[in-house]
Amino acid sequence: AQSVTQLDSQVPVFEEAPVELRCNYSSSVSVYLFWYVQYPNQGLQLLLKYLSGSTLVESINGFEAEFNKSQTSFHLRKPSVHISDTAEYFCAVCNTGKLIFGQGTTLQVKP
Amino acid sequence: ETGVTQTPRHLVMGMTNKKSLKCEQHLGHNAMYWYKQSAKKPLELMFVYNFKEQTENNSVPSRFSPECPNSSHLFLHLHTLQPEDSALYLCASSQGDGELFFGEGSRLTVL
Repeated sequence: AQSVTQLDSQVPVFEEAPVELRCNYSSSVSVYLFWYVQYPNQGLQLLLKYLSGSTLVESINGFEAEFNKSQTSFHLRKPSVHISDTAEYFCAVCNTGKLIFGQGTTLQVKP
Repeated sequence: ETGVTQTPRHLVMGMTNKKSLKCEQHLGHNAMYWYKQSAKKPLELMFVYNFKEQTENNSVPSRFSPECPNSSHLFLHLHTLQPEDSALYLCASSQGDGELFFGEGSRLTVL
């Protein structure tokens, strides 16, 4: 069975510092990979996705994630975070149309 | 605005009540989903509908009863719930490629 592991439940970081949110998945077949973000009192929104092609994918607000097949990882990074990036981040893997989510990582950006 | 609308946003009910959650999507998608989000737990997939047909029931107790009258509407009927059913219930839609569009959720409290 597929699974997704987000290694950190909470990541505190100061504003303008770099951040990495880690995600590992287990699957023996090709998968699609996603990062979703959930701001307080809202539903989840797609941040970025990897379907095929370039292993480095970017979002419009400065986040990027790199698909590493050998390490079965899809870590999310941002070189300089803002207060507004404070949210819950979910990694997800899709195979045969079913989306499996990780436990989520709370990113807390401090001034 | 994600194109997926959930009502009500908040619901408080007793264990003997019967209530329903409603979800409507304006994206022309063929698949609709119910997820349960509880604190400190991964998102739990409950039900999946494709072209109005239920294709997934993830061992959900019968006190939760889904209904999908057409591709744009999805309901979750609730009856004789337990306090541990208190959670955020998220509806989502998809075109089947793994990218989900979520509503803002219905926060349910069972007394």
